[in-house]
Amino acid sequence: DQQVKQNSPSLSVQEGRISILNCDYTNSMFDYFLWYKKYPAEGPTFLISISSIKDKNEDGRFTVFLNKSAKHLSLHIVPSQPGDSAVYFCAATWGTGAQKLVFGQGTRLTINP
Amino acid sequence: NAGVTQTPKFRVLKTGQSMTLLCAQDMNHEYMYWYRQDPGMGLRLIHYSVGEGTTAKGEVPDGYNVSRLKKQNFLLGLESAAPSQTSVYFCASSLDGNSPLHFGNGTRLTVT
Repeated sequence: DQQVKQNSPSLSVQEGRISILNCDYTNSMFDYFLWYKKYPAEGPTFLISISSIKDKNEDGRFTVFLNKSAKHLSLHIVPSQPGDSAVYFCAATWGTGAQKLVFGQGTRLTINP
Repeated sequence: NAGVTQTPKFRVLKTGQSMTLLCAQDMNHEYMYWYRQDPGMGLRLIHYSVGEGTTAKGEVPDGYNVSRLKKQNFLLGLESAAPSQTSVYFCASSLDGNSPLHFGNGTRLTVT
C-alpha cells in the first residue's frame, strides 16, 4: 500500500523554465510534508517542507504547494538550473516525536541546457 | 564536521552470513534512523532511535536488529542475510523530532 505516490518517474525541463514535480498521498493523518533531493551516490538532502496548516511555502527558487482536499502537493522550481538535475523525493509524516517519514518513489528531473 | 558517515560503502554477502552496518554522526543529534531504498520504491524506515539506549521498529524491521549504545553511533545488524535484503541502506540523524533529517551517503549491500 503506497501511501505517498509520485506518478512521474522522470521529467525533462529546459533550463530557465519552470519545473513542477507532483506528489499524491492517501493517509489523512499526514500533517507534515517534505521534499528531498538526491544526487547519484549521495544521500538525500532536505530541500523544503510544509505543514498541513499552510497551503504554500517558499524558499528562494523553490515553492511547495499543498492541496489538502485533493491530498496533493507539488514542488515548483523557478527558474530551473542544470544543478537541479537530480532525483526528487516527496515525503510525509504525522504526529510528534521521531520523523517517521514515508517516501514516494522519486522523480528524476533532468534540466536541459 | 563530517555529518553522517556510513561504513562500509559496499558489501557483498552470501545468504546466511551476518554483518553490521555502522552509522556515525558528529552533530550531537538525538534521533537516528535506518532506511532502505529499493528500485522503483521510496526509502522505507527499518528502525529508529530517539536517544542513546533507545530503539524502535519502523515500517520494515523484520530480519534486522539495531543498537544505540553511544549517542553518536547507530548500528544495523543482519543476523542471517537473505537475497531480499539486497538494497541500498541509508542512515540519517536529526537534532530533534521537528528538524530535517541529515542522511549519509549509503551502503550498497548485495546478498547472493
